[in-house]
Amino acid sequence: EVQLVESGGGLVQPGGSLRLSCAASGFTFSAYDMHWVRQAPGKGLEWVSGIGTGNDAYYLGSVKGRFTISRENAKNSLYLQMNSLRAGDTAVYYCARASGTYYEFDYWGQGTLVTVSS
Amino acid sequence: QSALTQSASVSGSPGQSITISCTGTSSDIGSYNLVSWYQQHPGKAPKLMIFEGSKRPSGISNRFSGSKSGNTASLTISGLQAEDEADYYCCSFAGSSTWVFGGGTKLTVL
Repeated sequence: EVQLVESGGGLVQPGGSLRLSCAASGFTFSAYDMHWVRQAPGKGLEWVSGIGTGNDAYYLGSVKGRFTISRENAKNSLYLQMNSLRAGDTAVYYCARASGTYYEFDYWGQGTLVTVSS
Repeated sequence: QSALTQSASVSGSPGQSITISCTGTSSDIGSYNLVSWYQQHPGKAPKLMIFEGSKRPSGISNRFSGSKSGNTASLTISGLQAEDEADYYCCSFAGSSTWVFGGGTKLTVL
């Protein structure tokens, strides 16, 4: 059974940093692209970042230069390092697996809440 | 890139059919047949319902169908059931390894 479990969320002040983790199990992690998608309270979904099997990384324009996605295949883990956090980054952050056909997200974690506030 | 445009809400009675539209641009929906649809119940993670515009993942009821015309994609749910009440989001590949979601549509089953 595919499982994705996020951790690392919490309350952080504007300008602060946070590192999210996603522990994957039930599939060959190294063979799949992985993504982070966020959802602000009461709002819609927003794609944030993705990483390919070759560690090629992609970002939403508003987070480029502030967020860094990475993966550690030996630990079946995905990460999102978030720096210079803003109030607008407040959201539940979901880890999602790209399907075998790359362009959709077939498994999602339950999410971890990031709150940026003073 | 800007979010795809979805109507805020739609409703229908059990057994009826409803259609949710998702409008993008020639840079996303119009350029790629790579629209996916997600169902999200309150407090839960999204669930993939349709991919590549009209394909259903294993285990998804054939009551759910998708289509695309020009810059607009659509999700149709036939034979509405109470458990279909949820938020629905469209998503399109937008080129350069980026994706864009719609704002979501709240489906109410009357």
